[in-house]
Amino acid sequence: SQELEQSPQSLIVQEGKNLTINCTSSKTLYGLYWYKQKYGEGLIFLMMLQKGGEEKSHEKITAKLDEKKQQSSLHITASQPSHAGIYLCGADRGNQFYFGTGTSLTVIP
Amino acid sequence: GAVVSQHPSRVICKSGTSVKIECRSLDFQATTMFWYRQFPKQSLMLMATSNEGSKATYEQGVEKDKFLINHASLTLSTLTVTSAHPEDSSFYICSASWGGPMDGYTFGSGTRLTVV
Repeated sequence: SQELEQSPQSLIVQEGKNLTINCTSSKTLYGLYWYKQKYGEGLIFLMMLQKGGEEKSHEKITAKLDEKKQQSSLHITASQPSHAGIYLCGADRGNQFYFGTGTSLTVIP
Repeated sequence: GAVVSQHPSRVICKSGTSVKIECRSLDFQATTMFWYRQFPKQSLMLMATSNEGSKATYEQGVEKDKFLINHASLTLSTLTVTSAHPEDSSFYICSASWGGPMDGYTFGSGTRLTVV
């Protein structure tokens, strides 16, 4: 089973709508990364969260880390077609880096 | 700083041939590099951890004889897909850690392999 489970697996939203993607870890989270990607292209680093309760924002994207719940959420406000892609959470396990199961986002104009 | 260069970005090869993908850390030494594989609409799956000067550690289910990894120097790791078949067509991406845990991971831009 995957150590990092993302939900939903895929998401289709109308432009302008808000959305949330969750990343749940089966192990204790000491920190978490969020990336955006399109298949066949490189990763775009979004945010890194290191402390429980930490919240970071960049433009219309906000990410939070809940260490107690071993969970992180990524929230996009007023989605745009440019937000479309695959969103991946990732965690450092000390000597290896694992990605979540991924969430495919489609934004309909 | 902390740049990883991956080549080639795209490669098309004939079934049965071997393909080598290079991953270089340009401005830092990477004792450990990682190789991932991605299928369309799926996440990146860790294939193996490449350690400089020693054998790579492969994840369960990854054929080590199929995917040969060599990490001969502190700045270069290579992944060779041997006797490639159409089912090996995928997106491969490497990464390296440029510091301690949570210092950050840098990713290559990926290689799109198509086997015809």
